[in-house]
Amino acid sequence: EIVLTQSPGTLSLSPGERATLSCRASQSVWTRNLAWYQQKPGQAPRLVIYGVSSRATGIPDRFSGSGSGTDFTLTISRLEPEDFAVYYCQQYDTSPALSFGGGTKVEIK
Amino acid sequence: QVQLVESGGGVVQPGRSLRLSCGASGFPFSSFGMHWVRQAPGKGLEWVALISYDGSKTYYRDSVKGRFTISRDNSKNTLYLQLSSLRTEDTAVYYCAKDASSFFDSCLFDQWGQGTLVTVSS
Repeated sequence: EIVLTQSPGTLSLSPGERATLSCRASQSVWTRNLAWYQQKPGQAPRLVIYGVSSRATGIPDRFSGSGSGTDFTLTISRLEPEDFAVYYCQQYDTSPALSFGGGTKVEIK
Repeated sequence: QVQLVESGGGVVQPGRSLRLSCGASGFPFSSFGMHWVRQAPGKGLEWVALISYDGSKTYYRDSVKGRFTISRDNSKNTLYLQLSSLRTEDTAVYYCAKDASSFFDSCLFDQWGQGTLVTVSS
């Protein structure tokens, strides 16, 4: 199973700042099947990015994904109040042996 | 629009059973694989089980194999998860999630239900 490690655990930023979230895989995600989900308190997760860098339907262009191999990044260019949430990366390279990272909480500083 | 509505959660004693349901609408249910994903209180996401679009294939995480059974009724647009021999560590919100690809189990989740809480406690 591919283990995903997200860092930092918590990111404290102000609205308007840039957020950079990291997801590191224990082995290469060859197919680029790497996704990011956003989860707000009391809500279900929401798909944000799939295929490393493709935005899901309705996701604003301030969200971008990048990376390859074992290192992936989710960037939020300018944080809006609604972006403060927990973000999870997920690999679906070895379906159905998929896995999630432990999450990064983006909180208001 | 796509809607996934889970039901059936509750408080149950260790060793007992429970059946969760997920009603689907807004998309051709019989064309998509479906999943259950759970989240223990204050913890991260954990995939539980997958059933292919036609129900012919099922997969489980190791910790629930032999205890949980995923099934579907395409005539009723409904997904199920039978939980048996429940343990305290099964306590979680259980989400049903739609696979993003039709007729192929990509294991990318493009739609989620609101979840149903299962609490295993004596």
